[in-house]
Amino acid sequence: DAGVIQSPRHEVTEMGQEVTLRCKPISGHDYLFWYRQTMMRGLELLIYFNNNVPIDDSGMPEDRFSAKMPNASFSTLKIQPSEPRDSAVYFCASSAGRNTEAFFGQGTRLTVV
Amino acid sequence: DAKTTQPNSMESNEEEPVHLPCNHSTISGTDYIHWYRQLPSQGPEYVIHGLTSNVNNRMASLAIAEDRKSSTLILHRATLRDAAVYYCILRDPPHSGTYKYIFGTGTRLKVLA
Repeated sequence: DAGVIQSPRHEVTEMGQEVTLRCKPISGHDYLFWYRQTMMRGLELLIYFNNNVPIDDSGMPEDRFSAKMPNASFSTLKIQPSEPRDSAVYFCASSAGRNTEAFFGQGTRLTVV
Repeated sequence: DAKTTQPNSMESNEEEPVHLPCNHSTISGTDYIHWYRQLPSQGPEYVIHGLTSNVNNRMASLAIAEDRKSSTLILHRATLRDAAVYYCILRDPPHSGTYKYIFGTGTRLKVLA
């Protein structure tokens, strides 16, 4: 398996634009997580899904952020409208059940100018 | 969520053993102790986890105090490729209603040639 695949690897966008980050989890994994990493706040859990259903979105910073998982092999994290303070590295991770480790993607580095 | 405390940074010489400490004085009886590491420009990767007994795998060993209020990740022979940020995380047990990885600030390990 190629691991967790995120796209794009880098994204530069202007303030106010819509940004969509994509994630393909490892096949067969039923948990999917979205994290955000900044120097100031470290790694923050934004939301996680189980069997395509959002379980906990308490980490989503505000209504500008939304995440979907239309099927077991694809998830998106959307920011609309984007702001400079959203600049960060966004990681997607997946795991096969509760008692197994999470596998992280390479991340998407988002820069909002 | 129970908190963990780790030193901000540590140094080690190459080929020497490294002991990375973690304090978790508010750990509950069913929290699992997980360790992840993050290499430069990569997503976090799983290292090891345990509940009460000491654990060994090909990457490292995990020593858990008898009262479970602290643990130590042991790298038996540090290499330059082990330079990373190491995170100690407490995870809810498999039967709990939540399944979160909450990352702290971690320990930045520097390995000297």
